[in-house]
Amino acid sequence: GAVVSQHPSRVICKSGTSVKIECRSLDFQATTMFWYRQFPKQSLMLMATSNEGSKATYEQGVEKDKFLINHASLTLSTLTVTSAHPEDSSFYICSARDSGYRPYSGANVLTFGAGSRLTVL
Amino acid sequence: GENVEQHPSTLSVQEGDSAVIKCTYSDSASNYFPWYKQELGKRPQLIIDIRSNVGEKKDQRIAVTLNKTAKHFSLHITETQPEDSAVYFCAASIGRTGNQFYFGTGTSLTVIP
Repeated sequence: GAVVSQHPSRVICKSGTSVKIECRSLDFQATTMFWYRQFPKQSLMLMATSNEGSKATYEQGVEKDKFLINHASLTLSTLTVTSAHPEDSSFYICSARDSGYRPYSGANVLTFGAGSRLTVL
Repeated sequence: GENVEQHPSTLSVQEGDSAVIKCTYSDSASNYFPWYKQELGKRPQLIIDIRSNVGEKKDQRIAVTLNKTAKHFSLHITETQPEDSAVYFCAASIGRTGNQFYFGTGTSLTVIP
């Protein structure tokens, strides 16, 4: 089945530094990837939709200059948390959808990465 | 935009009993409804999904029902086991390409041995 690799799984950084998280689709191409933030015991909050070769679409309230998204290839999207602060500490998860459309099969199936736990000191 | 509501937020059942989680959605254009299971500290995993052209789908102990008229869909787990304990999320997706997925708030299921 489809596999999405997310790296790093855990990262600790100092306040004011930037952190990059990678999301890779390993065995399929993904023109669209999604980035979520998840607080403890809460649901997945969609931050932005990453579109290959074009600008990401950010959800209302998400600062695009704070959370930089780059989707340079069909298998890689990156999320960079710039000038991180303690309130940015969270669990960030990506997901990807196989771009190959096959009617009434797995065309819409989302596959999630394992998540990245960011702690900003 | 789409609004997905999920109930209950927490659910405890005795091992062997059934568990039901319900979701409602607002946009009649939604046509794909997956359910995800997330164990503590792990990624959400798709456990079952249903499309709008089907009213019910079953996979062993798990079933999903969809009522398009009422705009609600439900997850049914029968003969629950301790390993079913996790957080379950429903989602709704609009359009053939499903470029937008809207998630419910999650249900924390605990199966008591």
